[in-house]
Amino acid sequence: GAVVSQHPSWVICKSGTSVKIECRSLDFQATTMFWYRQFPKQSLMLMATSNEGSKATYEQGVEKDKFLINHASLTLSTLTVTSAHPEDSSFYICSPRSAREGGTEAFFGQGTRLTVV
Amino acid sequence: AQKITQTQPGMFVQEKEAVTLDCTYDTSDPSYGLFWYKQPSSGEMIFLIYQGSYDQQNATEGRYSLNFQKARKSANLVISASQLGDSAMYFCAMREDQTGANNLFFGTGTRLTVIP
Repeated sequence: GAVVSQHPSWVICKSGTSVKIECRSLDFQATTMFWYRQFPKQSLMLMATSNEGSKATYEQGVEKDKFLINHASLTLSTLTVTSAHPEDSSFYICSPRSAREGGTEAFFGQGTRLTVV
Repeated sequence: AQKITQTQPGMFVQEKEAVTLDCTYDTSDPSYGLFWYKQPSSGEMIFLIYQGSYDQQNATEGRYSLNFQKARKSANLVISASQLGDSAMYFCAMREDQTGANNLFFGTGTRLTVIP
């Protein structure tokens, strides 16, 4: 399977600060990046979809000004949680997708566990 | 309507026995893919098995097999010869290949506990 590197794996930050999460696809070009969020004991929910070089598309209920997504290259996408609050504490996980993928697998980063105190 | 439904919040299975985790789906897309992932406490999503909507045969990957019943829109995961390391959350997911952005829709998951 493809190698996807997501950092950091966990982070604790103070309320009001910003946190940047990086997602790198190491052995394929990610034309599309999906960002999911998973609250404790819940399922993964899609937050936003970004295509390389384009603005991200956000799901209903996800604030685009709070969750800034940059997908400037085919191997790197970042999610910045701005002015984080305790309710943003969650598990964030990226999933890059190549346009040439056969479709029989979807790849994920290792995830980032964010705790806002 | 929920695109993926997993009705078993938790399941227990004796070590070395087989267990079936249920999953039903809802889509009008004629082309779709069904996935099962294992999520241990570390959080990583471990891909287990894939079934395409046009696949004639049920997918198998080692101890994992997918019981695909298209008419009933079900895609149950069967784990044979359970091991203690199989204890984890299991998520069923679907990707609609013609509509949407090809993201995955996940079910609510089933927590499997393997008993020694």
